Amino acid sequence: DTGVSQNPRHKITKRGQNVTFRCDPISEHNRLYWYRQTLGQGPEFLTYFQNEAQLEKSRLLSDRFSAERPKGSFSTLEIQRTEQGDSAMYLCASSPKGAGGNEQFFGPGTRLTVL
Amino acid sequence: LAKTTQPISMDSYEGQEVNITCSHNNIATNDYITWYQQFPSQGPRFIIQGYKTKVTNEVASLFIPADRKSSTLSLPRVSLSDTAVYYCLVGDSWGAVLAAGNKLTFGGGTRVLVKP
Repeated sequence: DTGVSQNPRHKITKRGQNVTFRCDPISEHNRLYWYRQTLGQGPEFLTYFQNEAQLEKSRLLSDRFSAERPKGSFSTLEIQRTEQGDSAMYLCASSPKGAGGNEQFFGPGTRLTVL
Repeated sequence: LAKTTQPISMDSYEGQEVNITCSHNNIATNDYITWYQQFPSQGPRFIIQGYKTKVTNEVASLFIPADRKSSTLSLPRVSLSDTAVYYCLVGDSWGAVLAAGNKLTFGGGTRVLVKP
């Protein structure tokens, strides 16, 4: 399977702990996106990379959130000092350079539960 | 930001055609219309995308009137496995403009339930 992969699939943590998620995009895709989705809502955009450059960050992304894509391949999303409100599904997507419109390929997501 | 409005839910039966209309009155000249499908505990999956008139692929058809202020996703002869949430998105082409990320706004989607 050469789709977008995310690890871990599930993460349970205690409030105040730090967590890190990984996303491996489709290999030839240079664009990578992170979203957050809570129950019953559509995905909310968090941030976007083109190669290793982080080009856009949502106002939703507080200082406790940081994302990296050091070599323009995989990406990590870290949440520091987690809060119960951070509980959600974190989705990663990728798209190839030159893609028209908004066709993105999504991974299965990482479900975070903060106790 | 082109806000979209879709029905919250729709019920249908196997073998019927399902049409979901999305309103996007503030669509901009450079905006595409894109539809995604999402099953529980999975990421969204791209279905179809269009700019104007009609687009058809092996899964669905997308009808866009001349004023582009709305669009209709048509799913022919649905089956139980088409039960999902369907999202309408409106936004720039990423290839042309480094658009603001908030253009990728999913909204609440339409929950389609296909009954036997």
